[in-house]
Amino acid sequence: TQLLEQSPQFLSIQEGENLTVYCNSSSVFSSLQWYRQEPGEGPVLLVTVVTGGEVKKLKRLTFQFGDARKDSSLHITAAQPGDTGLYLCAGPTTQSGGSYIPTFGRGTSLIVHP
Amino acid sequence: NAGVTQTPKFRILKIGQSMTLQCTQDMNHNYMYWYRQDPGMGLKLIYYSVGAGITDKGEVPNGYNVSRSTTEDFPLRLELAAPSQTSVYFCASRPQRANTGELFFGEGSRLTVL
Repeated sequence: TQLLEQSPQFLSIQEGENLTVYCNSSSVFSSLQWYRQEPGEGPVLLVTVVTGGEVKKLKRLTFQFGDARKDSSLHITAAQPGDTGLYLCAGPTTQSGGSYIPTFGRGTSLIVHP
Repeated sequence: NAGVTQTPKFRILKIGQSMTLQCTQDMNHNYMYWYRQDPGMGLKLIYYSVGAGITDKGEVPNGYNVSRSTTEDFPLRLELAAPSQTSVYFCASRPQRANTGELFFGEGSRLTVL
């Protein structure tokens, strides 16, 4: 069972379309992170959301943290081919020794066609 | 800005061979992690370290070993390579102050076991 469920798993759209991807959990998180991974590279952090109901904008990307801090969404306006990549959400879980371990969802693979 | 550096980028192993994936970071981060990424499965934690001399198992540690003799280096060793270890391996680090779990990733090491 995945702690963080991402949907959809795959998304193929045309340039200029809008889209939303989701990251859901039955657990409460102190924060959630969104990463983008391009082919052949490691994930790169896009944003961290911390407060329930928080909305953050990064150019055409809008991130929202659910009021109960169990879910998050990423909305892209007027998608461009450069947005193509794997979008991963992650949240810290606490190990028995108190260490914070970042746990990842399976990701949403986005392809934006010119 | 070197950040997190992984070597090698690509490697092909025969079943039963051993090898070490190298990871070094120059950001003086205390926390370091090894993940493996398989298609459609997200990132699975293999081992992590909260500082020099301290390591702990993650979700999928079988078949791997790690050491952390310095803050900078966190090598991952495969003792008897198996086809199930064919994957892309990512090393990541984060500073201790970032309890939000934000990670800095290397570019990955693609390993094929035949």
